[in-house]
Amino acid sequence: DAKTTQPTSMDCAEGRAANLPCNHSTISGNEYVYWYRQIHSQGPQYIIHGLKNNETNEMASLIITEDRKSSTLILPHATLRDTAVYYCIVTRTGANNLFFGTGTRLTVIP
Amino acid sequence: ETGVTQTPRHLVMGMTNKKSLKCEQHLGHNAMYWYKQSAKKPLELMFVYSLEERVENNSVPSRFSPECPNSSHLFLHLHTLQPEDSALYLCASSLDGATNEKLFFGSGTQLSVL
Repeated sequence: DAKTTQPTSMDCAEGRAANLPCNHSTISGNEYVYWYRQIHSQGPQYIIHGLKNNETNEMASLIITEDRKSSTLILPHATLRDTAVYYCIVTRTGANNLFFGTGTRLTVIP
Repeated sequence: ETGVTQTPRHLVMGMTNKKSLKCEQHLGHNAMYWYKQSAKKPLELMFVYSLEERVENNSVPSRFSPECPNSSHLFLHLHTLQPEDSALYLCASSLDGATNEKLFFGSGTQLSVL
């Protein structure tokens, strides 16, 4: 599976959009981009995933560049409860081992 | 509430003890997973069960013994653990073990080995 690179930490003001970047320059054509987050003392929570097209759900939007070498997770209106570690994962369908890496620690500031 | 329940939430055990971690999912999923999360380390996949058969064992020491009696329950039996086994143990489930697009995690068991 392709490796990903994320910033170690980011801050975001409450109510503003949080934009979390992820680089995956070695991604293959059959690999998806997944995002999970882990709030302190809880298990990871699925957020969103995509292959080529941009995706949006009730939690977030996922913007994937045309060359698919990077992506951005957007939380449109960050709240204090969005403070968590966010993991960008690239994996092919059928794999049963997600590599979570160290992720980005997002702190939402009042 | 994710539909995956883990008990106990916290466990302290000595190196000579035998204990078990329990996981139950109410989602009708066919695949269940054990992950280990040590302090300041990425999550590590330990075991994967699909339709009650073990399909993945990531070189986990034999002092960790999984059991999946049915598709809703998963256990991790622990014996003669070492202090370095202290970690958060997370259970997860997914609809289909062949495609892991959405993993649903429990809150984990925080294990301390003295």
